[in-house]
Formats: sequence, structure tokens, C-alpha cells
Amino acid sequence: EAGVAQSPRYKIIEKRQSVAFWCNPISGHATLYWYQQILGQGPKLLIQFQNNGVVDDSQLPKDRFSAERLKGVDSTLKIQPAKLEDSAVYLCASSLGGVWGAGRLQETQYFGPGTRLLVL
Amino acid sequence: GQQVMQIPQYQHVQEGEDFTTYCNSSTTLSNIQWYKQRPGGHPVFLIQLVKSGEVKKQKRLTFQFGEAKKNSSLHITATQTTDVGTYFCAGPGGTSYGKLTFGQGTILTVHP
Repeated sequence: EAGVAQSPRYKIIEKRQSVAFWCNPISGHATLYWYQQILGQGPKLLIQFQNNGVVDDSQLPKDRFSAERLKGVDSTLKIQPAKLEDSAVYLCASSLGGVWGAGRLQETQYFGPGTRLLVL
Repeated sequence: GQQVMQIPQYQHVQEGEDFTTYCNSSTTLSNIQWYKQRPGGHPVFLIQLVKSGEVKKQKRLTFQFGEAKKNSSLHITATQTTDVGTYFCAGPGGTSYGKLTFGQGTILTVHP
């Protein structure tokens, strides 16, 4: 089974430039997540999609970050314009997606290799 | 919002020594997950705990969920160099299904 694919793996840009990341989740996974992981910290959820709808984007800096998952499969995350503090690893993850209910197991999230962004 | 705190931030051990990392939440958790991230890699799911007082083992790894479901621990017996990496705990992040809040992680270094 193919894992979560991400591209590019590395990106170096100057501040105020734009950048886009791509993610292709595991086939059949309805839920897709974008995380930001700053060096030395745990992943922080930016946005969560269920199929092509946004479930949670409460921690997405919407003045500069945007994301879409138009056909409910692959997704893009864009930063425009980038700031120095955006330097981080951007991780995409996916899970099967299902019905939330008390006592149900939390779904396993499968992470892609990430995109390492350096903003100069 | 919910916070998940992990200690210690760093742990250096000699190969063969034991290692423990602790995870604490300010609120009761319905479940907790543990992930491992190798240097330069991405988080990989290890295990999920759901029941109060639950203990699960994976070879040399022992995972515990506290009776009050507010804390958890990961213990590695007789560490090996392959255990090197960052260990994260993660709890449900709120009402959004599937959302996780990660702790800041414990970086484990194993000296041969």
C-alpha cells in the first residue's frame, strides 16, 4: 500500500515570496490533515479536511495561509507571502475518516515525509 | 484549549539503560496515542490507549494510561541505538473528529 506522498521535499525561498505544497493521501482516506512542525516542537494542526470540506482550520493563519482539497483526494497548502517564522516542516497526514462517537478509537494518522521549508 | 505536556524534553542514555517519558494533560482524555519520529523523518504511529489504567506492551516498549486518564507514560527497557528519535504523545484536540494535540516530544539519544 502506497503511503502519503508529499512534494517538494525541500524548499528555500525568500521572505515575502509565495510557496505551495502538495499532498496525496493514502487511497481511500477521507480525512486529510496539514501540520506545521517547528524545530524542537510537536506537530501543530493547521487544517483538517473531511473529503473536500474543511472540518477545522482554527489554527490556520488565514491572512497568509490557504489550503484546498477540491476533489476530495489530493490537497495543496499555500503560503503567500512567507515570513521568516514560517520556516518549518509541513507534514501532511491522512486517516480513514468515519463517525465520531464517545468511546470510539481515535483513528491512526499516517504521515507523509514532509516538506522542509526555509524562509530567508 | 487542551494542552498535552511531556517531560523530559531531552534524555541521553547509554545503550542498555532504560528510558521513560511522561505525558500529562490538564483535562481527562478519552484516549491517547504515541508516535515516534526518527531524526529527519516523520511521525509514525506506535499505539493507542483507551481504557483507564491500561497497560500495553510492544517488545521492549511499555505504554501506560493513568487511572484518571490524564497522564500516560512510555517506558523502554534496555535501549538500543535503533530507539533514537523523538517520542510524542497526542490526545484528542477537541470536538473535531480525528484532531490531535501533540505534546512537545521527548528527544531520546542513545550512546553506544
